[in-house]
Amino acid sequence: IAGITQAPTSQILAAGRRMTLRCTQDMRHNAMYWYRQDLGLGLRLIHYSNTAGTTGKGEVPDGYSVSRANTDDFPLTLASAVPSQTSVYFCASSSRAGGQETQYFGPGTRLLVL
Amino acid sequence: GQNIDQPTEMTATEGAIVQINCTYQTSGFNGLFWYQQHAGEAPTFLSYNVLDGLEEKGRFSSFLSRSKGYSYLLLKELQMKDSASYLCAVTDSNYQLIWGAGTKLIIKP
Repeated sequence: IAGITQAPTSQILAAGRRMTLRCTQDMRHNAMYWYRQDLGLGLRLIHYSNTAGTTGKGEVPDGYSVSRANTDDFPLTLASAVPSQTSVYFCASSSRAGGQETQYFGPGTRLLVL
Repeated sequence: GQNIDQPTEMTATEGAIVQINCTYQTSGFNGLFWYQQHAGEAPTFLSYNVLDGLEEKGRFSSFLSRSKGYSYLLLKELQMKDSASYLCAVTDSNYQLIWGAGTKLIIKP
């Protein structure tokens, strides 16, 4: 079934540890996105990639890094986790870059940093 | 700054009609999306408006007035499965998507 997968589904992480959230899509979409969603706040864009080999910073990029080595994969790395990074993380993709394209979301990763 | 306002929570009765409003103040406008998000799940696309007027899709309709910076999502013949959060998102002049905090809709029998 075509779509986006994320791993892990959930994770408890000690502060200061490094963590990579994985995201893979099989729709051959050019653009991919990482969001965090916190209670009472809208989805906030962390990083995005308009096409393989390029990445850009979103609204809240500090403490996070991404790479886009190929079309399908877009991992998000927390270099040294802090409790304020406790959140639900969603990966999304769209066929093309630009805010007029429908975004398709993965199931999310629930991260708790202690 | 850029701002999208939606009511935090609404309650409606099964079988009734509910209107969820969204007002926005953004640097430019290039379209407005509505997404549905069930608790613990990912957002899924409902509708997209770029021109003024009403777009109807089954039980769901979405309206846009660009001059007023206003949109609404209309849900008819409410079903229990419509209990979810409804997210409004606007594409600004830089083609970036700005998200509202969402409206939690509670359906009562």
